[in-house]
Amino acid sequence: AQSVTQLGSHVSVSEGALVLLRCNYSSSVPPYLFWYVQYPNQGLQLLLKYTTGATLVKGINGFEAEFKKSETSFHLTKPSAHMSDAAEYFCAVSPLRGSGNTGKLIFGQGTTLQVKP
Amino acid sequence: NAGVTQTPKFQVLKTGQSMTLQCAQDMNHNSMYWYRQDPGMGLRLIYYSASEGTTDKGEVPNGYNVSRLNKREFSLRLESAAPSQTSVYFCASSLQGAQPQHFGDGTRLSIL
Repeated sequence: AQSVTQLGSHVSVSEGALVLLRCNYSSSVPPYLFWYVQYPNQGLQLLLKYTTGATLVKGINGFEAEFKKSETSFHLTKPSAHMSDAAEYFCAVSPLRGSGNTGKLIFGQGTTLQVKP
Repeated sequence: NAGVTQTPKFQVLKTGQSMTLQCAQDMNHNSMYWYRQDPGMGLRLIYYSASEGTTDKGEVPNGYNVSRLNKREFSLRLESAAPSQTSVYFCASSLQGAQPQHFGDGTRLSIL
């Protein structure tokens, strides 16, 4: 069965430091990949997605992620953390490509990002 | 510019009571989804509707039923609530499969 693993349930960085949130998936066929962010008491918002094409994907709020097929990874990065980045981040995959895709998402467990002043 | 609207936002039930969670989207999306979010477990799919008139089970369907009332609305019903169903429930929609999903703000449900 498909699975998504986010390494580290909590990550703490200082303001201005690099943010790196890790995501690995299990799939023999590259899936569609997503990162979502959840602020307290809110729903999830899309940060970025990878479907095809360029493996380095840029998203909102200065975040980007790189799809590495050989490593089955889709890690999320941001060069310089801001206090407003404190939130929970979810990696998700949509397993099937093409007409069989019903849009079902499989989520990782989530990583809470803390940003220290 | 509502997007995905869920009602109610909070609810407390007693074990054995029934309840329907409502979800409506105004983006003319074809696909709709119900998830539950529990600490340390991410979001898990309960049921989904790939298009109007169809529904299918997700990862954790036991204890739930759904109705795709029309293209806009997708409701989730708990027939006999159990404490294990205490969770935050999210509804989402997408234009079609593999397109990004848009989420509501959630319903926080406690079952005593």
